[in-house]
Amino acid sequence: DTEVTQTPKHLVMGMTNKKSLKCEQHMGHRAMYWYKQKAKKPPELMFVYSYEKLSINESVPSRFSPECPNSSLLNLHLHALQPEDSALYLCASSQDFPRRVTNYGYTFGSGTRLTVV
Amino acid sequence: DAKTTQPPSMDCAEGRAANLPCNHSTISGNEYVYWYRQIHSQGPQYIIHGLKNNETNEMASLIITEDRKSSTLILPHATLRDTAVYYCIVRAPKNYGGSQGNLIFGKGTKLSVKP
Repeated sequence: DTEVTQTPKHLVMGMTNKKSLKCEQHMGHRAMYWYKQKAKKPPELMFVYSYEKLSINESVPSRFSPECPNSSLLNLHLHALQPEDSALYLCASSQDFPRRVTNYGYTFGSGTRLTVV
Repeated sequence: DAKTTQPPSMDCAEGRAANLPCNHSTISGNEYVYWYRQIHSQGPQYIIHGLKNNETNEMASLIITEDRKSSTLILPHATLRDTAVYYCIVRAPKNYGGSQGNLIFGKGTKLSVKP
């Protein structure tokens, strides 16, 4: 299996809703990432997990809450979002090893297109 | 990580070689050059990466100048399916749990392959 699977593919939610985005990979990658991409802009890094621990939060508002329950799964919990949070949310994974530097590429999922109304 | 400069858009005729340039004049000695592409409404796709030497795989070739301040991605026989945004990214090797080496995207080049 060489894929990153994201569900759902499309999500419409109200500003008072709570929803979650899910990302799954079975390549044995121990680093996982969330990116946000607005229309006609490049992807922006939001969160980095290494070995199920959050290592980077790029000053993301607390209405976005990531979770890594195991080495294959990455969730993004959404609560009280604003219309400007509407975007394509991309998940990615890569190899990661303690006590080693690596230069592996990332594998991306197809994304969840989120619309906040 | 070093910044890159790419032309915002390029056209290429189907069947011809597409040569996409990238400037990275502030690249450090341990930083790699990566290329990704993103076809409309899909996730980015890894193409190729290199440090100093030219690299080739089944998708493309990467030519890095001797001073490493610029590079060119070559798609030898472009097809309509190669129409996408191409991102050149300079990136240090990833440190476990550290802030270095994460993939940071610039604006990219929108390549349009025309019949």
